[in-house]
Amino acid sequence: DTEVTQTPKHLVMGMTNKKSLKCEQHMGHRAMYWYKQKAKKPPELMFVYSYEKLSINESVPSRFSPECPNSSLLNLHLHALQPEDSALYLCASSQTSTYNEQFFGPGTRLTVL
Amino acid sequence: AQTVTQSQPEMSVQEAETVTLSCTYDTSESDYYLFWYKQPPSRQMILVIRQEAYKQQNATENRFSVNFQKAAKSFSLKISDSQLGDAAMYFCAYRSGDAGGTSYGKLTFGQGTILTVHP
Repeated sequence: DTEVTQTPKHLVMGMTNKKSLKCEQHMGHRAMYWYKQKAKKPPELMFVYSYEKLSINESVPSRFSPECPNSSLLNLHLHALQPEDSALYLCASSQTSTYNEQFFGPGTRLTVL
Repeated sequence: AQTVTQSQPEMSVQEAETVTLSCTYDTSESDYYLFWYKQPPSRQMILVIRQEAYKQQNATENRFSVNFQKAAKSFSLKISDSQLGDAAMYFCAYRSGDAGGTSYGKLTFGQGTILTVHP
C-alpha cells in the first residue's frame, strides 16, 4: 500500500460549524504534514508531525487544530472558519522527517460559506 | 531563508516534442535536495524527479531529466517526447539537508508552471 488517503473529498461548512478532515497512510511513515493550497498557487505548510508529536506549526490560526492519534492517522479539526479558509487541504507523509520524499494525498476541497 | 523561483507561469508544447521548465533557487546551505512535483487537474501531487545537491550527475527518470547547475543555483526540468498526460502544474521544491534536525522535511515550493500539451 503506497497511498495516502484523505476524507472527505469535498466539504462545505458554515462559519459556525465544527468539522474534521482525516488523513491516513499505511506505509509505516512516521512524519505527516498538512498543507493548504489555494487555486493555482503552491502548497503552504501548516503543520508537521514527527513520531506523533507536533514538530512545526507555521503560525496557523487556532481555528485549525491538528491531531495525530497514532502513526497512521492525522486529523485536522476545523472550527469557526472564515470564507478565506476555503482551499484544497493536502496531507502528505514521509518515512521520517529526514527522508527526502513526501507522498501526497488527493486533498480535501473545503468551501466555507 | 531559502527561496525558489519559477519564472514561467505557463508553458505549452506539442505532443512528442521536448519542453524545458526553469527553476532557480537561493540558499546558503551546501547540503540540500531539489524536487519537481507534478499536479494534474485531478489534484494529486506526484513526485517526478529528485536531485541530491551532493551528486554531480543529473537525475533522470524515463522521459524526465534535470539540468542541475549548482553554482548557478539552477534546476531545470526537461520533458522529452511530451504526452497529453504530462499536462499539469509543475512545482519545483527545495528541502534542506537539515544537519541540525530542525526543518522536519519542510519543502519550499516555487510558484508553479502550468504546462499545456497540444495534440
